[in-house]
Amino acid sequence: GNSVTQMEGPVTLSEEAFLTINCTYTATGYPSLFWYVQYPGEGLQLLLKATKADDKGSNKGFEATYRKETTSFHLEKGSVQVSDSAVYFCALSTYNNDMRFGAGTRLTVKP
Amino acid sequence: NAGVTQTPKFQVLKTGQSMTLQCAQDMNHEYMSWYRQDPGMGLRLIHYSVGAGITDQGEVPNGYNVSRSTTEDFPLRLLSAAPSQTSVYFCASSLAGGKDTQYFGPGTRLTVL
Repeated sequence: GNSVTQMEGPVTLSEEAFLTINCTYTATGYPSLFWYVQYPGEGLQLLLKATKADDKGSNKGFEATYRKETTSFHLEKGSVQVSDSAVYFCALSTYNNDMRFGAGTRLTVKP
Repeated sequence: NAGVTQTPKFQVLKTGQSMTLQCAQDMNHEYMSWYRQDPGMGLRLIHYSVGAGITDQGEVPNGYNVSRSTTEDFPLRLLSAAPSQTSVYFCASSLAGGKDTQYFGPGTRLTVL
């Protein structure tokens, strides 16, 4: 079946450090890939997405590239801020509305 | 434009009790869904609907019922609550299905004793 595996947290970084959160997936067909972010006490909100191979999603300085050959969608940011502290979820969705989320990675950025 | 709203925010039930979690959206989205969030497991899809009158099962549907009589509302029913249903529940909607951007509600934290 379809599934998403993302790196376990928690991840703690200093402000302005480089961030990578790894995400790999297993899916039949051609899924769309997403990164969602959850701030404390809130629901999830879309951070970025990519719908086909080699697409790069980007938003708020975050980027992720859809790599079909390695079935990956790693999240990166060049310089994190304290306000980026949140839980990040990698997700996929296929044509039949089968949506799968990773377990989430908690990021804490210290000043 | 309120987006996706959920009520209640918190609920405590005893084993065997029933209740309905409410979800509404004002964005005229056809697709709505329910997820549960458990520690270390991310979100898991319970049920979804692609339009009024149409519902389907997700990854973990057992113990939950849904119906979709209007575009705006998508309630989730627990007929006989069990401690295993203790979780945070999120409702989401999108314009065009699972491959589209999902808009999430603020969640309902449910505890079953």
